[in-house]
Amino acid sequence: KAGVTQTPRYLIKTRGQQVTLSCSPISGHRSVSWYQQTPGQGLQFLFEYFSETQRNKGNFPGRFSGRQFSNSRSEMNVSTLELGDSALYLCASSSGEGLNEQYFGPGTRLTVT
Amino acid sequence: GQNIDQPTEMTATEGAIVQINCTYQTSGFNGLFWYQQHAGEAPTFLSYNVLDGLEEKGRFSSFLSRSKGYSYLLLKELQMKDSASYLCAVKLGGSYIPTFGRGTSLIVHP
Repeated sequence: KAGVTQTPRYLIKTRGQQVTLSCSPISGHRSVSWYQQTPGQGLQFLFEYFSETQRNKGNFPGRFSGRQFSNSRSEMNVSTLELGDSALYLCASSSGEGLNEQYFGPGTRLTVT
Repeated sequence: GQNIDQPTEMTATEGAIVQINCTYQTSGFNGLFWYQQHAGEAPTFLSYNVLDGLEEKGRFSSFLSRSKGYSYLLLKELQMKDSASYLCAVKLGGSYIPTFGRGTSLIVHP
């Protein structure tokens, strides 16, 4: 089975711009979660999508949004980028039920200048 | 919120045994994960505990005490490749989403 894929792997943006990140989960998984990872804050949960619906949401401002498509692929959008948004954005795929063991993608390293 | 506490950094010698502790607030507890993350890579699943006791998987074991809000990850016969960050993550109540601790950076030296 192919693993979780994320594109792009690296991205450099300027303050005020917006960015869209993409995640393709493991085949058959219906849940996709997004996390922001920084050295100071660790792994912080952004939101989770299950069967095209946002099922859980973390404590991030409305500039962070996402969606999930019928094939379970998910996108995350950040508008009006700030310097503090520089981070590794990780996507995690899971069945969305039961144990819900999560499988992480390689991440997208976003740098905001 | 859910406080999950782990030591920031630990060092150990190749071939030795190391125990990484994790404590959490017990309210609404519904399962605990351990993940390993090498520098520049994604976290990978190591173990899952929902009942009290020790789960052994090769060189790695994970222990849980729900009443104490305490878990540990035990790594035996340490190898250099075990140098990584170890993340403790706790599931709360009906949520499927675990909350992650900040991780413990383990450095294994010869």
